[in-house]
Amino acid sequence: GESVGLHLPTLSVQEGDNSIINCAYSNSASDYFIWYKQESGKGPQFIIDIRSNMDKRQGQRVTVLLNKTVKHLSLQIAATQPGDSAVYFCADFTQGGSEKLVFGKGMKLTVNP
Amino acid sequence: DAMVIQNPRYQVTQFGKPVTLSCSQTLNHNVMYWYQQKSSQAPKLLFHYYDKDFNNEADTPDNFQSRRPNTSFCFLDIRSPGLGDAAMYLCATSRGTGGQYFGPGTRLTVT
Repeated sequence: GESVGLHLPTLSVQEGDNSIINCAYSNSASDYFIWYKQESGKGPQFIIDIRSNMDKRQGQRVTVLLNKTVKHLSLQIAATQPGDSAVYFCADFTQGGSEKLVFGKGMKLTVNP
Repeated sequence: DAMVIQNPRYQVTQFGKPVTLSCSQTLNHNVMYWYQQKSSQAPKLLFHYYDKDFNNEADTPDNFQSRRPNTSFCFLDIRSPGLGDAAMYLCATSRGTGGQYFGPGTRLTVT
């Protein structure tokens, strides 16, 4: 079946470093991708999204890169802070499909002070 | 601020005792979703409403039901909770164009 997955289950970084979280997807028809941040005991929080007609999108301290050739998505966090510690999920959506997101497995980011 | 609200945040129920979780939204989104999330796992979609149209996932047990009386509210009913139903239950909304906005979740404990 179609799936969206993450390469690494855990990532530990030092405060101030840049973090990169990777995600592979398999549905070539996917046209919209989202990154969510989920802190312990809370619901997923929308971070940034990107549509398939783009290869890069920047937000505040975050950048999402999309490589459709290899079906790869990444989230870059600049100057990582302790407050960035959370589980990060990528998710995939197909416009005109079932209105459903396909979530990756999640990757836990730990920022050490 | 526009938001997705879930009540209660924590719910304890007894094995087999029906329980209802509620979700409300001020975003005026036409799609509402219910997810189940267990520890260290991604959210698992149970069902969703596109306006009044109910869409059940094939692997959602019959024990789980939902109601959407109006655009703003959606309920999750668990008819006979089992120990395996203990989880975080997340409500989300969208305009149907992709981005979903999640509520804070309800942590269900089954004793």
